[in-house]
Amino acid sequence: DAGITQSPRHKVTETGTPVTLRCHQTENHRYMYWYRQDPGHGLRLIHYSYGVKDTDKGEVSDGYSVSRSKTEDFLLTLESATSSQTSVYFCAISQDRGLNYGYTFGSGTRLTVV
Amino acid sequence: QKEVEQDPGPLSVPEGAIVSLNCTYSNSAFQYFMWYRQYSRKGPELLMYTYSSGNKEDGRFTAQVDKSSKYISLFIRDSQPSDSATYLCAMSENDMRFGAGTRLTVKP
Repeated sequence: DAGITQSPRHKVTETGTPVTLRCHQTENHRYMYWYRQDPGHGLRLIHYSYGVKDTDKGEVSDGYSVSRSKTEDFLLTLESATSSQTSVYFCAISQDRGLNYGYTFGSGTRLTVV
Repeated sequence: QKEVEQDPGPLSVPEGAIVSLNCTYSNSAFQYFMWYRQYSRKGPELLMYTYSSGNKEDGRFTAQVDKSSKYISLFIRDSQPSDSATYLCAMSENDMRFGAGTRLTVKP
């Protein structure tokens, strides 16, 4: 996935521990997003950012926080991981909220909370 | 009722078949319509984009939007095994909404 990388690609963590996922882009896009993807639910927006230090909540933001201190990096933190947060997490970027050019997605982070 | 409804399938077709994938939606304010393709263990990639109503063709792929019926379709002609993937519809006025995806398998 050109211009966007997620780390780690896989992680197993214990219930109650904090977890941070990283998204890094080299496209200088203004908008960055964190989604989770679960069977039967599709992609659901967790948080998004429209600039450095500018973030907003999505439809499933409870239990998650984000930070964007640089244009290229968008961090997602699970404050105290729970089994319901076991999912595949995707970061996406866009130039204009995706209206004209869509989103570019990363390869995903597969998170398992045990 | 979800804003965007998409039959999850799975859908299995023989190579060379015409495939029809569909989504319905409830929000009449949606103006931007997209289809993404997602291969197993990969992120979605933008396949087709349409603004408002009408058709758009790109090679073997045709996207149709019928705003009066709140219905969008993706047609794949001469389907190939390499088309085997999950296809997600997406639509937006300001915030993007995704369908749950339809898993397609094209058998040689």
